[in-house]
Amino acid sequence: DAGVIQSPRHEVTEMGQEVTLRCKPISGHDYLFWYRQTMMRGLELLIYFNNNVPIDDSGMPEDRFSAKMPNASFSTLKIQPSEPRDSAVYFCASSFRRRSNTGELFFGEGSRLTVL
Amino acid sequence: KNEVEQSPQNLTAQEGEFITINCSYSVGISALHWLQQHPGGGIVSLFMLSSGKKKHGRLIATINIQEKHSSLHITASHPRDSAVYICAVRYLGNEKLTFGTGTRLTIIP
Repeated sequence: DAGVIQSPRHEVTEMGQEVTLRCKPISGHDYLFWYRQTMMRGLELLIYFNNNVPIDDSGMPEDRFSAKMPNASFSTLKIQPSEPRDSAVYFCASSFRRRSNTGELFFGEGSRLTVL
Repeated sequence: KNEVEQSPQNLTAQEGEFITINCSYSVGISALHWLQQHPGGGIVSLFMLSSGKKKHGRLIATINIQEKHSSLHITASHPRDSAVYICAVRYLGNEKLTFGTGTRLTIIP
């Protein structure tokens, strides 16, 4: 497997524009997580899915952020409209938890977003 | 106050030295992760622990559940070990990870 695949790797956009980040988890994994990393706040969980269903979105900053997982192999994180304070690296991670498996996390390479 | 405390925040050592990074947490957990992040790079999971000790190459991770403490050791450190090491815990009954602030390790040749 190629691991967790994220796109784009880098995105520069202007304030007010819509941003869509994409993630393909490792095949067979049943959990998918979206994290945001900034210098000020470190790593923060935004939302996670289990079997394509959003379980906890309490980390999503505000209504400008939305995430979907239409199937087991694809998820999107959308920001509309984007603001400069959204500039960060966004990581997607997936894991497999069944029975005794305690769920090692596999991270994508991250999407570095800059909002001007 | 961060519920996951790491120490030290920064560590500089000479190549070949034995390195220890510590992580303490406040309540019961189901798992503890050690992550590695190189400058400008992605995040790699080094270990996931729920008890005892794990070893992978020059890296060793231990956890003491009673004391709520974990350590990451690097033997025969090398400049390529220079990275930020992050401790993260998964609390009982919850899939969310709580992250430490990270330890920036620099190994000088």
